[in-house]
Amino acid sequence: AQSVTQPDIHITVSEGASLELRCNYSYGATPYLFWYVQSPGQGLQLLLKYFSGDTLVQGIKGFEAEFKRSQSSFNLRKPSVHWSDAAEYFCAVRDDKIIFGKGTRLHILP
Amino acid sequence: NAGVTQTPKFQVLKTGQSMTLQCAQDMNHEYMSWYRQDPGMGLRLIHYSVGAGITDQGEVPNGYNVSRSTTEDFPLRLLSAAPSQTSVYFCASSYNGLPGELFFGEGSRLTVL
Repeated sequence: AQSVTQPDIHITVSEGASLELRCNYSYGATPYLFWYVQSPGQGLQLLLKYFSGDTLVQGIKGFEAEFKRSQSSFNLRKPSVHWSDAAEYFCAVRDDKIIFGKGTRLHILP
Repeated sequence: NAGVTQTPKFQVLKTGQSMTLQCAQDMNHEYMSWYRQDPGMGLRLIHYSVGAGITDQGEVPNGYNVSRSTTEDFPLRLLSAAPSQTSVYFCASSYNGLPGELFFGEGSRLTVL
């Protein structure tokens, strides 16, 4: 069965600094992978997705993620964070169903 | 374009009461699912369906029932509510095919006293 691990529950970065959020998955075949963001009191918005091809995928709001099969990882990155990026971020993997990680809450220091 | 519509948005129940959370989508998505979100637990899959007449259990199915009589609707039933079912519930749908990202409803906040 597929599973997703997000090792960091909370991450704090300064505004303008770079960001990397970690995601590790367990799945036998080529995974379909997603990153979603949830702002406080809001629903979930898709940031980006991977299902084949180029292992570096670009998403909305300046985010990108890199699929590394050898490490079973799909880490989310952003070169320079903005205060509006403060939110909770969820990694997900799809098989016959879609399973989410427990999320990483991002805090931004001014 | 309505997308995924969940009702009600808020509900308070007493222990032992039953209720149904409604979910409807107008995107002709084959796949529909219910998640619950609790602090520190992320989104946990309750039940899902890959098409009308087909349902399956997710990670935390106990205490919940679902049915899928039409493509559009996927109601979630709590037969005898318990305080442990206090949570925010999200319905989500997608195409079965690639890449299959989910489209979410706005959520339903349920409190069981």
